Amino acid sequence: QVQLVQSGAEVKKPGASVRVSCKASGYTFTTYGVSWVRQAPGQGLEWMGWISPDNGNTNYAQNLQGRVTMTTDTSTTTAYMELRSLRSDDTAVYYCARVAVQGIFDRLLYFDYWGQGTLVTVSS
Amino acid sequence: QSALTQPASVSGSPGQSITISCTGTSSDVGTYNLVSWYQQHPGKAPKLMIYEGSKRPSGVSNRFSGSKSGNTASLTISGLQAEDEADYYCCSYAGSSTLVFGGGTKLTVL
Repeated sequence: QVQLVQSGAEVKKPGASVRVSCKASGYTFTTYGVSWVRQAPGQGLEWMGWISPDNGNTNYAQNLQGRVTMTTDTSTTTAYMELRSLRSDDTAVYYCARVAVQGIFDRLLYFDYWGQGTLVTVSS
Repeated sequence: QSALTQPASVSGSPGQSITISCTGTSSDVGTYNLVSWYQQHPGKAPKLMIYEGSKRPSGVSNRFSGSKSGNTASLTISGLQAEDEADYYCCSYAGSSTLVFGGGTKLTVL
């Protein structure tokens, strides 16, 4: 069965960086994209970006450009999300999700499987 | 990218039907029939309920249905049950390999 298992909770100081991992299993890793979605406490879902494990194509949400990097390791079927220059408003649960992708222009369709979430707390 | 607009809350009694709207623009909902809907219970990861506007994944009850008119997509839940109480989010493709979520709607089953 498809599973996405994320790394554990993190506590970081403002200005630091965090890297969250997402280990995928139960499907061919390169045939779907991986997206990252975050949810601040008591708030809604925010799309952060996506990566194609097949060719490394990425696209990030405009408000995170320059601070976020998404990568994958196909040998271990693991996706990573690094967020730099952390601020208190980056405190959130971070989810990875498998995203269905259509066509040569990478049309993103929907998230059909989600990781369990990783709480990242930014506090001095 | 501006978030899609959803009502903050809706409510209904068991057995009734409710509809949650999701309003976007001609750059997202209006152009692409690629709206998906997610159910999220407290402390849990979201769950896909509807994709590509009106399709249901295997295992999702046929009480859930989706539709679209112009720039507005809708999720309808018929025969409301206590376990339907949750937060619901819409999400639309917005071109150039980007996605945008709605602000979320809290469904209360009275």
